[in-house]
Amino acid sequence: DAGVTQSPTHLIKTRGQQVTLRCSPKSGHDTVSWYQQALGQGPQFIFQYYEEEERQRGNFPDRFSGHQFPNYSSELNVNALLLGDSALYLCASSFGQGRGTGELFFGEGSRLTVL
Amino acid sequence: DAKTTQPNSMESNEEEPVHLPCNHSTISGTDYIHWYRQLPSQGPEYVIHGLTSNVNNRMASLAIAEDRKSSTLILHRATLRDAAVYYCILRKAAGNKLTFGGGTRVLVKP
Repeated sequence: DAGVTQSPTHLIKTRGQQVTLRCSPKSGHDTVSWYQQALGQGPQFIFQYYEEEERQRGNFPDRFSGHQFPNYSSELNVNALLLGDSALYLCASSFGQGRGTGELFFGEGSRLTVL
Repeated sequence: DAKTTQPNSMESNEEEPVHLPCNHSTISGTDYIHWYRQLPSQGPEYVIHGLTSNVNNRMASLAIAEDRKSSTLILHRATLRDAAVYYCILRKAAGNKLTFGGGTRVLVKP
């Protein structure tokens, strides 16, 4: 049973470019959340997708957008990249929005470097 | 979101117990106490959670104070593989997002 898979694992972009990161949730899960983790910090919640809609959003600008597909996989898009967007981007999956006690399963992340 | 406070780091010897404290004085009645850990170069991993009563699972135990303003994660016999950053998180019953703080970096010495 595959866990949460993310691609690519590493990528380098330059300022102003756009990036798309991809996530496949754990089998049986229907909810995907995205987190940004800067070096030495804890992960910060970006947004959550359930039933192909954004359900919750953290304190991130509109440059950060996402999508969820009918097979529950998800994409995170970041436009107009800034140096400060350099981070590890983590995808987490759960079932039924994982309310309250539901365990979140995380992928190993996509490390983005913006030069 | 209610805030948690944890020590920055702790050291332990292999095969000894580790007690990781967490203060959450502003916890509300609907907040669950969750613990996740993050091993080097990996995503966070669920450890345990509880509401009011102490909880045990194969990974750890969670002791919750009677007033719920603090809790302690207990690793009964630390192994080198337990070296990680441990995050104490308060999570609403009706919510899915996790609000991570800085966590406690646990070092395990052989």
